Amino acid sequence: AQTVTQSQPEMSVQEAETVTLSCTYDTSESDYYLFWYKQPPSRQMILVIRQEAYKQQNATENRFSVNFQKAAKSFSLKISDSQLGDAAMYFCAYRSVIKLVFGAGTILRVKS
Amino acid sequence: EAQVTQNPRYLITVTGKKLTVTCSQNMNHEYMSWYRQDPGLGLRQIYYSMNVEVTDKGDVPEGYKVSRKEKRNFPLILESPSPNQTSLYFCASSITGTLLEQYFGPGTRLTVT
Repeated sequence: AQTVTQSQPEMSVQEAETVTLSCTYDTSESDYYLFWYKQPPSRQMILVIRQEAYKQQNATENRFSVNFQKAAKSFSLKISDSQLGDAAMYFCAYRSVIKLVFGAGTILRVKS
Repeated sequence: EAQVTQNPRYLITVTGKKLTVTCSQNMNHEYMSWYRQDPGLGLRQIYYSMNVEVTDKGDVPEGYKVSRKEKRNFPLILESPSPNQTSLYFCASSITGTLLEQYFGPGTRLTVT
C-alpha cells in the first residue's frame, strides 16, 4: 500500500524568507500524481500545487514550487517570500487509484 | 458559486444516537468521497463513490454507511456513533475518479461523548 510520510510536525519561518517542507512516499507505481494541500485555521482544504510523476520538470505556482525526486521518492514544497497568510497545516498527498493518501501534515508558523 | 456543502458544521452527540452528515455538490461531479482527519494521521478515506451506481469502502469504513441516490448528494451515516468516531470529517468531490482537482467541503467537527 502507498504511504506518505511528512517527517516535520512543525516548521517556523520568518516573514519574507524561504522554507521547505519535506515529504516522502512509497509506491511501486511508475505513473502517479502528487499534491500539496494547505489547510488554514478555517479548516478549508486548498490545493496548492500538483506534480505529475512522468513530468521531470518541477511544478511551480507563484511563490510555491516543488522539488520532485522520483528515484528518491521525495516531494518537497518550497515557499518563497513567506507571508503571514501562509501560516497553515500543509498536507502532502499521493493519488492512489481512486483516492488520495495523505501524510500526517506539517504545521507552518510564520513569524513577523 | 461552485462548492461542496456539508451540514452540520459542528455536532456534539452521545454514544449510540444515530446521526447523518449531509454533503452536496453543485458541480455535476461524478466522484464523491468522505475523509476523516485526526491529529498525527492526516486525512483517511472512509467511503467513496465513483458515480451513482458505484460506492465502495475506503481505508476506515467501520462504523459508517453512505448513500448515493442522486449525483449531487452523498450523506455519511453513523448508525451507532462511538467516542472513537470523534473527528473532523470532510466530504470531497471531483469531476471523475482521476482526482486531479478535488473540491473539499468546509468540514464537520463531530464530538461523540
